[in-house]
Amino acid sequence: LAKTTQPISMDSYEGQEVNITCSHNNIATNDYITWYQQFPSQGPRFIIQGYKTKVTNEVASLFIPADRKSSTLSLPRVSLSDTAVYYCLVGEGNYGGATNKLIFGTGTLLAVQP
Amino acid sequence: GAVVSQHPSRVICKSGTSVKIECRSLDFQATTMFWYRQFPKKSLMLMATSNEGSKATYEQGVEKDKFLINHASLTLSTLTVTSAHPEDSSFYICSARGTFPEQYFGPGTRLTVT
Repeated sequence: LAKTTQPISMDSYEGQEVNITCSHNNIATNDYITWYQQFPSQGPRFIIQGYKTKVTNEVASLFIPADRKSSTLSLPRVSLSDTAVYYCLVGEGNYGGATNKLIFGTGTLLAVQP
Repeated sequence: GAVVSQHPSRVICKSGTSVKIECRSLDFQATTMFWYRQFPKKSLMLMATSNEGSKATYEQGVEKDKFLINHASLTLSTLTVTSAHPEDSSFYICSARGTFPEQYFGPGTRLTVT
């Protein structure tokens, strides 16, 4: 499984856009890129998943360059409640029922200040 | 999104006893369930993968005789920590995957072994 590298921590202020970049140089052809958010003493929450180019949902955007060796999670106008650990994961996301093992890296602790 | 529950949310047990943790997918059928362990300020560590009706696949270094996993139905998986010791105290999180690629996580179970 491809290893991911993210910044250990990031600081931001309320209302700002936050971009968290993740590198995954050994990503395989079948791998999808998935981002999760985790608050203390809670299970991770799915944010967004993509394979290439750009994906957007009501929470975030995910930018993936053509070589897919990195990805950027973009959180628009963060608030204090966005303070959490954000994990970038790479694994098989193909539909079809195959096991989809995810290996968590260290994650990025985003601290949003007022 | 899909909902995964865990029971209990917290449990305290004495050293040498066994503890069972349940993981349920509430509104979808989970073909695969995963069990993770997380120590304070650390990332999630995958323990095992279980498919309904078959034996679990354990990650390297995880004792299968100590952490018994049963996935008896498409909505329920259980993790039993046998002969628990203080070093087994941790946050245990399950996740479930149906016919969609992303995993949905339970809220976690805090186990304290005294």
